[in-house]
Order: sequence, then C-alpha cells, then structure tokens
Amino acid sequence: AQTVTQSQPEMSVQEAETVTLSCTYDTSESDYYLFWYKQPPSRQMILVIRQEAYKQQNATENRFSVNFQKAAKSFSLKISDSQLGDAAMYFCAYERSSGDKLTFGTGTRLAVRP
Amino acid sequence: DGGITQSPKYLFRKEGQNVTLSCEQNLNHDAMYWYRQDPGQGLRLIYYSQIVNDFQKGDIAEGYSVSREKKESFPLTVTSAQKNPTAFYLCASYRGGAYNQPQHFGDGTRLSIL
Repeated sequence: AQTVTQSQPEMSVQEAETVTLSCTYDTSESDYYLFWYKQPPSRQMILVIRQEAYKQQNATENRFSVNFQKAAKSFSLKISDSQLGDAAMYFCAYERSSGDKLTFGTGTRLAVRP
Repeated sequence: DGGITQSPKYLFRKEGQNVTLSCEQNLNHDAMYWYRQDPGQGLRLIYYSQIVNDFQKGDIAEGYSVSREKKESFPLTVTSAQKNPTAFYLCASYRGGAYNQPQHFGDGTRLSIL
C-alpha cells in the first residue's frame, strides 16, 4: 500500500524568506501523481502544485516549486518570498493514476512571522 | 460558477441516529469521493464512485453508506454503527476521461456528536 510521510508537524518562516516542506512516499508504481494541498483555517483544500512522475522537470507555480527526486521518493515544496497568507496546513498527497484515490500525509502546519 | 456544494456546513448527531451529508456538483464530473479528516491528520477515503449507480469502499468505509443515483449527487450517510463520527468530511469530484485534471474539493461539513 502507498504511504505518504511528512516528518515536520510544524514549521515557521519569516515573512519574505524561503521555506521548504518535506515529503516522502512509498510506492511500487513507476507512473503516478504527487500533489501539495494548502488548507487554511477555513478548511478548504486548495491545490498548490501537481507533479506527474514521468516528467523529470520540477513543477513550479509562481512562488511555489517542488524538488521531485523520484529515485529517493522525495517530493519537497519550496515557498519563496513567504507571505502572511501562506500560513496554513500543507498536505502532501499521492495518486496512483489520474482519478484514483488520494493518499495524504499527516500535514505540516506553517506559521509565517511578520 | 461551477463547483461542489456540501451541506450542511455544521451537523450534530445524537447517539443512535443516522445522518446524511449532502454533496452536489455542477461540474459534469464523472467521479465523486468522500474523505474524512480527523484533527491533526490528513484525509482518508471513505467511499468513491466512478459512474452513476456504482460505488466502491475506500479505506474506512465501516459505519458509512452512500448512493449515486444521479451524476450530480453523492450523499454520505453516517450510520449509528459509526462509533466515532466526529470529524470534518470533504467531498471531491473528478472529471475523468482524458482530461487528466486533479480532484476538486467542496468546502466540507463538520460533524459533531451531541
């Protein structure tokens, strides 16, 4: 069974600085999808970034980028120029194939210091 | 605007009572999902449905039931057999086919025991 591990329950970053959230996963598949979701206090699940395993290029979305290391089964999220609105829970998730169930990690709570 | 509507936002259940959480989507998505979120944890899959009149158990289906009589609707019933129903419930949908897009989430329902 696939598992997703987020080993940092809480992280803190100064406004305008850069922070990296870690995620590792376990799978025997060669093609799959990885995601980072943001959950603010409103509890909405907001997609931050998506990576397709067959693509070697790391995904980026504005200030958000990932470091996808397929051999190491590592998928970290880098947030550059952190803003107060980035404060939230961040979940890493795995999907075996498009439309399959999502397997989530336990989340990392990010605080942003003004 | 298209989206997923979950209702009610807050729900209270008495001991021994069944309650039903509503999930409606107007995105014309084929697949729908129910996830449960406990404090400090990620989401876990309860049930999912790829097409009308068909659904499959997820990782934690015991004590829950669903139906999929219409493409737009995927209600979740929390039965009295679910001994620990207090949680946040999220519904999601997925377009299917060759669109290869991530799941889209509703805003959730918080269920508590009276």
